[in-house]
Amino acid sequence: DTAVSQTPKYLVTQMGNDKSIKCEQNLGHDTMYWYKQDSKKFLKIMFSYNNKELIINETVPNRFSPKSPDKAHLNLHINSLELGDSAVYFCASSQPGTTSTNEQFFGPGTRLTVL
Amino acid sequence: SQKIEQNSEALNIQEGKTATLTCNYTNYSPAYLQWYRQDPGRGPVFLLLIRENEKEKRKERLKVTFDTTLKQSLFHITASQPADSATYLCALDGTDSWGKLQFGAGTQVVVTP
Repeated sequence: DTAVSQTPKYLVTQMGNDKSIKCEQNLGHDTMYWYKQDSKKFLKIMFSYNNKELIINETVPNRFSPKSPDKAHLNLHINSLELGDSAVYFCASSQPGTTSTNEQFFGPGTRLTVL
Repeated sequence: SQKIEQNSEALNIQEGKTATLTCNYTNYSPAYLQWYRQDPGRGPVFLLLIRENEKEKRKERLKVTFDTTLKQSLFHITASQPADSATYLCALDGTDSWGKLQFGAGTQVVVTP
């Protein structure tokens, strides 16, 4: 019973390529996120969608474009990959609200290596 | 700018002892603070949340305190076990950005038998 799933688990590609990472959650949450965890282990938020609408867009190069076809899916497309994009990308979901804890549920991560 | 600091050095502790981790923050007014556990090659897993008006929260062998005057949270693992070995992350959510968490870099805990 996977709560938040991501594909692929590993992604190795050449500089300049375009790639996508997919995320799905079966928790019925309204909000989904993309995080980047770099080699120093800092987990930084990139984007957040609430019910298919973009609500958080951190300072991320516009080569990164999230897409939410429905509230259970949030995909991340990256154009013209650069060496510095190498990191682990985590998808997460939550159900924010004044009565909830905003506990976030994370996927297993996608390790992207750009050569 | 907003900053969250956790001990970058690994905490090595003997089984049965209490591990205490620190999370300090500056230029931030969090509505609440969360603690997560991350194992190698896996995503973070939520452990505990403490709100700004709460001093202490407990869950089984875990205890969290939150001092908004000191701008600090302490995370305790009592009667630690080798299975508690992992990296522990604190995360803050500001009152003006519901749902947006800012994470610390985490502290690795190693519990030896």
